[in-house]
Amino acid sequence: QQQVKQSPQSLIVQKGGISIINCAYENTAFDYFPWYQQFPGKGPALLIAIRPDVSEKKEGRFTISFNKSAKQFSLHIMDSQPGDSATYFCAASISNTGKLIFGQGTTLQVKP
Amino acid sequence: DTEVTQTPKHLVMGMTNKKSLKCEQHMGHRAMYWYKQKAKKPPELMFVYSYEKLSINESVPSRFSPECPNSSLLNLHLHALQPEDSALYLCASSQERGLGELFFGEGSRLTVL
Repeated sequence: QQQVKQSPQSLIVQKGGISIINCAYENTAFDYFPWYQQFPGKGPALLIAIRPDVSEKKEGRFTISFNKSAKQFSLHIMDSQPGDSATYFCAASISNTGKLIFGQGTTLQVKP
Repeated sequence: DTEVTQTPKHLVMGMTNKKSLKCEQHMGHRAMYWYKQKAKKPPELMFVYSYEKLSINESVPSRFSPECPNSSLLNLHLHALQPEDSALYLCASSQERGLGELFFGEGSRLTVL
């Protein structure tokens, strides 16, 4: 019940295309859903996050869509750029616990 | 200053060695974390410190010993490690435990021979 399932494992998108990564969870107590971006040799960095009282959040080219009833959330990267090539992790947590549960990660490659 | 600084960046040690990883943040955060990340896997939580007190230990073997000397520093003492402990060790901090963004350092890549 503590798992966060992420798909796909890898994704190849052409420059200018839309990248979509999906995550699903079981624990309805989760109340914070961040996405992290990690480049090789670097630590993860927060990209965008959402709480379950909101169905969508957009920051620049990055959008989280959240479906509370389906217990699913997804990351959309619009106008994907080669510089977006990285590993993306969805995550979920219960506020104040300090435990962030990560999905397995998606390696995104954006081809020029 | 929104950085978490980790040293060393790379460490090679034998199974009988004792070494330490260090982490520092100057953002005034009161929660600090150690994560372990194997290649092509997500980070796994090891320890959480809140207000310099250990609040979460995710059943980590005693050969890993965390220490929080003050609110800005976090150490991970390593002793009698196994080759399977080779991984990227990430330090992170947040404003409070479980509150706000987790800021990660670049990690210390550990190789145990």
